[in-house]
Amino acid sequence: DADVTQTPRNRITKTGKRIMLECSQTKGHDRMYWYRQDPGLGLRLIYYSFDVKDINKGEISDGYSVSRQAQAKFSLSLESAIPNQTALYFCATSAELGKSSTGELFFGEGSRLTVL
Amino acid sequence: GNSVTQMEGPVTLSEEAFLTINCTYTATGYPSLFWYVQYPGEGLQLLLKATKADDKGSNKGFEATYRKETTSFHLEKGSVQVSDSAVYFCALTDSSYKLIFGSGTRLLVRP
Repeated sequence: DADVTQTPRNRITKTGKRIMLECSQTKGHDRMYWYRQDPGLGLRLIYYSFDVKDINKGEISDGYSVSRQAQAKFSLSLESAIPNQTALYFCATSAELGKSSTGELFFGEGSRLTVL
Repeated sequence: GNSVTQMEGPVTLSEEAFLTINCTYTATGYPSLFWYVQYPGEGLQLLLKATKADDKGSNKGFEATYRKETTSFHLEKGSVQVSDSAVYFCALTDSSYKLIFGSGTRLLVRP
């Protein structure tokens, strides 16, 4: 089984609908992230969480919200989806620096979202 | 602010050719540097990393050297294979230890 699991893997929805992407991890990491990938733009950080009580906005948080339900679970919500949120979304985890970690991220396989 | 610049792709090579993918960065302090690879239909996975100046990261025949004087971390491989076809991302850690990615370079290796 994958260490970082994202559901759903693919989703097609309509403008205005609420969408939730879920992420769970078995790596025991405190830090979790949501990134968005668009062609030619690389990965851009949406939100990140360094522990269960910590939520931080990334560079493109507008239109998104997150919930850290437990150390192992971090979900991303689009309250009212719009077409320019069509993208590939990645969840990632990392260990806290100093715990044999240099900041390496471990990624899920991605969730492809299409907003019509 | 911190940023990473990669050469634009796609890069198309014949099998056994030499590969270089350029990466330069702008950062305060001394970031760690990474190369990630994304194979078709998959998430990103770490290819190699370097944590201080003059360090050389290596894995699967790929190498990159952390050059502080030129703020570069170019990826090289002496002889590419068809199975190396993927998108390669250069990245660095910022002051709060989040990763900042370049835009990615697609590599296509032909038989």
